[in-house]
Amino acid sequence: GENVEQHPSTLSVQEGDSAVIKCTYSDSASNYFPWYKQELGKRPQLIIDIRSNVGEKKDQRIAVTLNKTAKHFSLHITETQPEDSAVYFCAASGRKTSYDKVIFGPGTSLSVIP
Amino acid sequence: DAGVIQSPRHEVTEMGQEVTLRCKPISGHDYLFWYRQTMMRGLELLIYFNNNVPIDDSGMPEDRFSAKMPNASFSTLKIQPSEPRDSAVYFCASSLSRSLNTGELFFGEGSRLTVL
Repeated sequence: GENVEQHPSTLSVQEGDSAVIKCTYSDSASNYFPWYKQELGKRPQLIIDIRSNVGEKKDQRIAVTLNKTAKHFSLHITETQPEDSAVYFCAASGRKTSYDKVIFGPGTSLSVIP
Repeated sequence: DAGVIQSPRHEVTEMGQEVTLRCKPISGHDYLFWYRQTMMRGLELLIYFNNNVPIDDSGMPEDRFSAKMPNASFSTLKIQPSEPRDSAVYFCASSLSRSLNTGELFFGEGSRLTVL
């Protein structure tokens, strides 16, 4: 089955700097790659996603890139702010037969230091 | 819509007791997922349903765990008997079929289970 790895497990940056989180996946059939943000004590919430027919997607200060050949994708946060502090999860999902299975990476705890 | 609703929010029980967690997905969503979150193992997919039918339960830890979805608006995750290692936050999430939507998972607020 699908296996998603994520690095680093913890990341600390100064406010205003950029943060990059990288993920790899194992199943070449995966075609949908979402990123979720989970603030302390809260539920995970989708912040951005990318499909396999796209190499890059941006939404204000966040961007995702996908390299299907290498089976890795990354989250980039620019001009980080204290409210970006949270745990970020990447995930991979693919359509096998007619069903989907969303598998999460282990998470990256991001701390933005004011 | 009120979103995905889970109950109870917190449950403290003693080892050996039966635990039932409940979930009401967003109306109209045809996928329902149960995840378990711990510090050590992150977000683990336990089981998911499509149109109330269990599709993949390979993540269910052992026979002590069972899940049902008797109708489109209700699902339960049961642990019997519970053990201290079952202590975790259990999330329910729902989604629309990918062909109709972005595939986004909408999570409930979670049920924090503590087994003493």
